Amino acid sequence: KNEVEQSPQNLTAQEGEFITINCSYSVGISALHWLQQHPGGGIVSLFMLSSGKKKHGRLIATINIQEKHSSLHITASHPRDSAVYICAVRSWDRDDKIIFGKGTRLHILP
Amino acid sequence: GAGVSQSPSNKVTEKGKDVELRCDPISGHTALYWYRQSLGQGLEFLIYFQGNSAPDKSGLPSDRFSAERTGGSVSTLTIQRTQQEDSAVYLCASSLAGMGSYNEQFFGPGTRLTVL
Repeated sequence: KNEVEQSPQNLTAQEGEFITINCSYSVGISALHWLQQHPGGGIVSLFMLSSGKKKHGRLIATINIQEKHSSLHITASHPRDSAVYICAVRSWDRDDKIIFGKGTRLHILP
Repeated sequence: GAGVSQSPSNKVTEKGKDVELRCDPISGHTALYWYRQSLGQGLEFLIYFQGNSAPDKSGLPSDRFSAERTGGSVSTLTIQRTQQEDSAVYLCASSLAGMGSYNEQFFGPGTRLTVL
């Protein structure tokens, strides 16, 4: 079993829909990152969380430390949001290594 | 520059040749990370530098892989005697401080390595 699990693996939605991508982890963490990888391969760091909730534009990220779960939400989705979204944790259980989820491929249809 | 830069952006080489990949981190970032992403796979951690030293080399897949960082800035990842399974996108990231701190990593555009 992977130490960082994301769901769904693939998601296709219509423009305007509210999107939720989930990340569950089984290790102790000091921080959790949400990354966006564009079709061209470039990676952008969206959020870094250690507790609570962060919002940037149409993106919202939440984390529940007790439940070892984080969600990334996209409101009013747009075709330009189409990308792979990756959850990564920095784990104090693993000498502060960064462990990546396998990513969620999101496709927003116009 | 404003962001992390990597060169070359693409590299095609023959099996058995050595390659060098370069990363220029954001000015002032003391921590530098190398990752790779093989086709259809997730991101894989390779090595981490704090300043010029590498406290964690555990991710390097074999002794053909080495990395150095000089002057607390530019880093070079060297792959000797390349194999086809080394084909991947090699990503570099930098942050203000290292593994023990909660600092965001900024990624470069990557180097796509193809070993024929």
